[in-house]
Amino acid sequence: DAGVIQSPRHEVTEMGQEVTLRCKPISGHNSLFWYRQTMMRGLELLIYFNNNVPIDDSGMPEDRFSAKMPNASFSTLKIQPSEPRDSAVYFCASSLIATGGIADTQYFGPGTRLTVL
Amino acid sequence: EDKVVQSPLSLVVHEGDTVTLNCSYEVTNFRSLLWYKQEKKAPTFLFMLTSSGIEKKSGRLSSILDKKELFSILNITATQTGDSAVYLCAVVTGNQFYFGTGTSLTVIP
Repeated sequence: DAGVIQSPRHEVTEMGQEVTLRCKPISGHNSLFWYRQTMMRGLELLIYFNNNVPIDDSGMPEDRFSAKMPNASFSTLKIQPSEPRDSAVYFCASSLIATGGIADTQYFGPGTRLTVL
Repeated sequence: EDKVVQSPLSLVVHEGDTVTLNCSYEVTNFRSLLWYKQEKKAPTFLFMLTSSGIEKKSGRLSSILDKKELFSILNITATQTGDSAVYLCAVVTGNQFYFGTGTSLTVIP
């Protein structure tokens, strides 16, 4: 298995532009997580999907952020409009959560390094 | 509010030293505790702990969980420069993952 795949690996954009980050989870995993990591705030969970349904989006910073998971093999995280403070590394991770909510480990993608000028 | 606290925040040691990293937590509905190693890329999985008192071991790394005192430790013996990384602890509650801020370990030759 190729593991969790993210694209692009690097993105540089100007303030106000729309940014779309993409993630393909490991085949067979039923849960997908979007994280943001910065030096100041560490690793933060933005949103979590289980069986393609958003379960907890309390970490999404504001309305400029949105995430979708149209099927089990693809998810997007969109920022519109982007701001310099959104600059961070965005990780996608997938996991297999068994019945009863017992979570296995998470497997992280390589991340997308976003720079908003 | 659920939280995970790691200590120390950073640590500098010489090759061959033994280090102990700490992770304490206050959460409801604890399921498991995970340790990750993060170098200049995505975190990689080290251990998952669910039961108190049972040591998990992989080479020079070992970890144990105390569910009564609500903490876990990660030990690294005979450290090497390749152990230099940020070590993250995460606690799973139901379907949520809560990460600590990590311990930055630097191993000097």
